[in-house]
Amino acid sequence: DIQMTQSPSTLSASVGDRVTITCRASQSISRWLAWYQQNPGTAPKLLIYKASSLETGVPSRFSGSGSGTEFTLTISSLQPDDFATYYCQQYKTYSWTFGQGTKVEIK
Amino acid sequence: EVQLVESGGGLVKPGGSLRLSCAASGFTFSNAWMRWVRQAPGKGLDWVGLIKSKTDGGTTDYAAPVKGRFTILGDDSKNTLYLQMNSLKTEDTAVYYCTAEASWGFGWGQGTLVTVSS
Repeated sequence: DIQMTQSPSTLSASVGDRVTITCRASQSISRWLAWYQQNPGTAPKLLIYKASSLETGVPSRFSGSGSGTEFTLTISSLQPDDFATYYCQQYKTYSWTFGQGTKVEIK
Repeated sequence: EVQLVESGGGLVKPGGSLRLSCAASGFTFSNAWMRWVRQAPGKGLDWVGLIKSKTDGGTTDYAAPVKGRFTILGDDSKNTLYLQMNSLKTEDTAVYYCTAEASWGFGWGQGTLVTVSS
């Protein structure tokens, strides 16, 4: 199985801050990586697919980059709706694996 | 619009069985690879298993913790995915999400809660 490791696990930030979350794969996944946002009690919401493609309807302050084993999700200016938990997911193999999550908290 | 609606969750005793359903609409169900993903309370996301589209062989595969106990079935005539769960354990307690993957991208349902407790 491909292991996905996110850092940090928790991030404290303020509205307007630039925020970066990192995801590392245990082996190359090319660009087969997605990022999700999840609020408590709701399903994950797809933000980014194929490492850097923005899902329709997702604000442009979200961006993704990377390939191979190193990926980042950046929120250029944190908004109140963005305080949530974020997960990366590889889909190079059909047995999807996810990072452990990064909780973005209000500072 | 892609829609996935899960149902069938509830409280079941250890060793019991439960069948989840996922009603799909807004896309060609027979062309999609369908998966179940679960999330234990306060924990992250875990892949449970998948069924490939008929055109890709219709085969299934499962994560190690559920192999031999869970079965995924797809009914193309009803656009419905099923997860038959047998020999349930307390560690199977989770919200179960139905997901679809096709050429148009990914879709997720809202999830259904399964609680395994005596």
